[in-house]
Order: sequence, then C-alpha cells, then structure tokens
Amino acid sequence: DSGVTQTPKHLITATGQRVTLRCSPRSGDLSVYWYQQSLDQGLQFLIQYYNGEERAKGNILERFSAQQFPDLHSELNLSSLELGDSALYFCASSVVPGVYGYTFGSGTRLTVV
Amino acid sequence: KNEVEQSPQNLTAQEGEFITINCSYSVGISALHWLQQHPGGGIVSLFMLSSGKKKHGRLIATINIQEKHSSLHITASHPRDSAVYICAVRSGTGNQFYFGTGTSLTVIP
Repeated sequence: DSGVTQTPKHLITATGQRVTLRCSPRSGDLSVYWYQQSLDQGLQFLIQYYNGEERAKGNILERFSAQQFPDLHSELNLSSLELGDSALYFCASSVVPGVYGYTFGSGTRLTVV
Repeated sequence: KNEVEQSPQNLTAQEGEFITINCSYSVGISALHWLQQHPGGGIVSLFMLSSGKKKHGRLIATINIQEKHSSLHITASHPRDSAVYICAVRSGTGNQFYFGTGTSLTVIP
C-alpha cells in the first residue's frame, strides 16, 4: 500500500455519461497530480493541485475537470465520455512539488462502452 | 515529436546481467524521474534527479544536464526487475510533464 488511495479501482460506463474519480493523497502530502495512461498515447499529465489550488495544467480536455478539497483529497470529473477516454487514471502525491519524488496510487481503470 | 525518447523499447536479459536503459530529452527541465510499472499496472517512482547520480540498492540513475541525457542502470538483474521503466521530465517552468514510451524489461532466470 503506497499510502495514496484511489477509488474506484474499476469503472465501466457508457458513452455520454459522467464519472468522478477520487484520490486521497499520502498523509502529509499537499500536492496531487492526475495522469492518464492509454494504450495509444502512453502516460499523459493532466493536472496538478497544491494545497487546494491548481498549480499546473497539462493535456486535460475541457470535458474533464478536477479539484482538491480542504481535506486535500482530490476528484477528477470526466463528462460526456467517449470510447477514447478508456484508460488507466493515476493519481500521485508529493509533499512539496519538485523537491521530493512522487507516490502513485494504484489507479482507476475506466472502460467506456 | 517526442520530447522524451527512451531506448531500447524492449530488453531481455539473463539473471545477473548489468542493464542500462537510456533516456534523452529535448526540453529544459526542472527534474527527471524514473518510474517502474509492473505488469499489474501499479507505478512506483524510483528516482527524481536534477543533477548527478543517485543510487538505491541495485539501481543507479545518472543525469547529464548539458547532454540532456539520463541512464538507469540495474546491477545483478533479477526476474523481479521485470517491468516497464518509464522516463519522465518536468519542464523547466514546472508546468508540464513529458513521458517516454517506456522500456519493457524481461529478466530470464
């Protein structure tokens, strides 16, 4: 157990639907990162939050949004889902961005049918 | 255009061999990461480097900032080292991450 908790582990949903993925960072970590890993595109950085505020934004689609709550957990919302959104979504956390390494959660496998 | 290139893409080694995986990048960076992804899908962060060399057990990571190149070495490889190794860089501005496509390593007993 890495200390980063992602739920759910698996999710199957239909095109056009909306889902929410949840991440609880390791205790003491203030920064949360979201990544998408698909078969054709590999790992891609989506977005980073630090202590509740957006710090960096990567290749996140407009249909996707995220936030970090006061208790530091984060949620990634995916809407108007398409078949191509099927992927593994990883969350990682770190104490201070860019100073220490990251701890990854085990991922949420999203399948859009 | 890939900002991060890894080689080789696939690598098969006999147990005990010394292994090197290479990573070249084309952007200015604030840090470089080596990640390990096991067949089950989980990702472990092995190293974060901004200069020099780091060692952890049988793993050694080096980076040459001037040449924009990093290497991951595994000494006395073991079947449990079989995994995909991914090189990732954080841009100099800190606003973007770029990932290599990974090196799939299989260590045969």
